[in-house]
Amino acid sequence: EAGVAQSPRYKIIEKRQSVAFWCNPISGHATLYWYQQILGQGPKLLIQFQNNGVVDDSQLPKDRFSAERLKGVDSTLKIQPAKLEDSAVYLCASSFGLTGGGTGPETQYFGPGTRLLVL
Amino acid sequence: AQSVAQPEDQVNVAEGNPLTVKCTYSVSGNPYLFWYVQYPNRGLQFLLKYITGDNLVKGSYGFEAEFNKSQTSFHLKKPSALVSDSALYFCAVRDRWITGGGNKLTFGTGTQLKVEL
Repeated sequence: EAGVAQSPRYKIIEKRQSVAFWCNPISGHATLYWYQQILGQGPKLLIQFQNNGVVDDSQLPKDRFSAERLKGVDSTLKIQPAKLEDSAVYLCASSFGLTGGGTGPETQYFGPGTRLLVL
Repeated sequence: AQSVAQPEDQVNVAEGNPLTVKCTYSVSGNPYLFWYVQYPNRGLQFLLKYITGDNLVKGSYGFEAEFNKSQTSFHLKKPSALVSDSALYFCAVRDRWITGGGNKLTFGTGTQLKVEL
């Protein structure tokens, strides 16, 4: 079974430029997550989708970050304009659903991430 | 609010010795708990999770974790460490009673495990 795919793997941009990251989840997974992992910290959830609807975007800096999952499969995360503090690894994850019925929350499976450096 | 603490930035252990990576949590209700491992330049890999039931959870690669409600802990253990276990380990929590739906995990800051010959 193919895992979560992300591209590009690395990106270097100047501050105030725009950047976009792409994610393709595991086939059949309805739920997709974007996390930001700053060096030395644990991943922080930015946004999660259930199919093409947003479930939680409370920690997404909406003045500069946007995300979409138009057809309920692939997703794109955009930063416009980028700031120095946006330098981080952006991780995409997917799960079959939100909950596993009586077995608790579905396990999230992560992609390799996109490492962003803003100069 | 939900939070996780991993009190050790780094743990060093000799190959063949048992290892423990510590994790404590805070939630309003009861927790779901997870351990993930991250190798350099790779994403997080799922190791194991505690949902309910038996306090000792067994996972991938010989790892296990023990849920202790009174101490609000979920320490990761392995009876005999391997050099290949050297990686960054993350504990994560989700409150069982989460408002607004969703499946938001809160991660700790990670513990670097170094296993030496």
